[in-house]
Amino acid sequence: EIVLTQSPGTLSLSPGERATLSCRASQNVITTFLGWYQQKPGQAPRLLIYGASSRAAGIPDRFSGSGSGTDFTLTISRLEPEDFAVYYCQHYGGSPPMCSFGQGTKLEIK
Amino acid sequence: QVQLVQSGAEVKKPGASVKVSCKASGYTFSSYYIHWVRQAPGQGLEWMGMINPSGGFTTYPQKFQGRVTMTRDTSTTTVYMELSNLKSEDTAMYYCVREGVAAKGYWFDPWGQGTLVTVSS
Repeated sequence: EIVLTQSPGTLSLSPGERATLSCRASQNVITTFLGWYQQKPGQAPRLLIYGASSRAAGIPDRFSGSGSGTDFTLTISRLEPEDFAVYYCQHYGGSPPMCSFGQGTKLEIK
Repeated sequence: QVQLVQSGAEVKKPGASVKVSCKASGYTFSSYYIHWVRQAPGQGLEWMGMINPSGGFTTYPQKFQGRVTMTRDTSTTTVYMELSNLKSEDTAMYYCVREGVAAKGYWFDPWGQGTLVTVSS
């Protein structure tokens, strides 16, 4: 099972600033299988990034994903008030396919 | 539009079973796997397994093997998740979500609205 470790646990920033969220895998993963999700209180998660760097439909271009091997990053270039939420990285793949999520990074307003 | 609509909240006693439904619409039901993910209060996301609506094939992580059963009804385009021998730790929001795939990767989208299952004596 691939274990994903996200850091930091909580990130305190102001609107307009740049956010960098990290996701480290316990072993090398194929970028095809790495995704990022945003979750706001009382809502279901929302897909942001798939394949490590491809933005989902309707996601603003201030969101970008990068990385390879064991280290992946979600970057929000300029924070908007609606971006403050919890973010999860996800690995899904293999044979048989298995899925794991990181523990989440809470992005809060400073 | 593609939509997953789940059944309503449930309250169960320890040791009982719960069966949550997820009705799919807006796409070809048999063409996309459906997954179940749960989230305990204030906690992260936990994958419970998946079902291929085409043939009913399922995959469950070891943690849930023997306690979870996922089925589907192609006539009503509905997927079901049954969890047995409930414990207080199973109190959570349960989500169904569709798997998508393209050359560049896999994804989970859209998500159902969630079904709150409360286990309490």
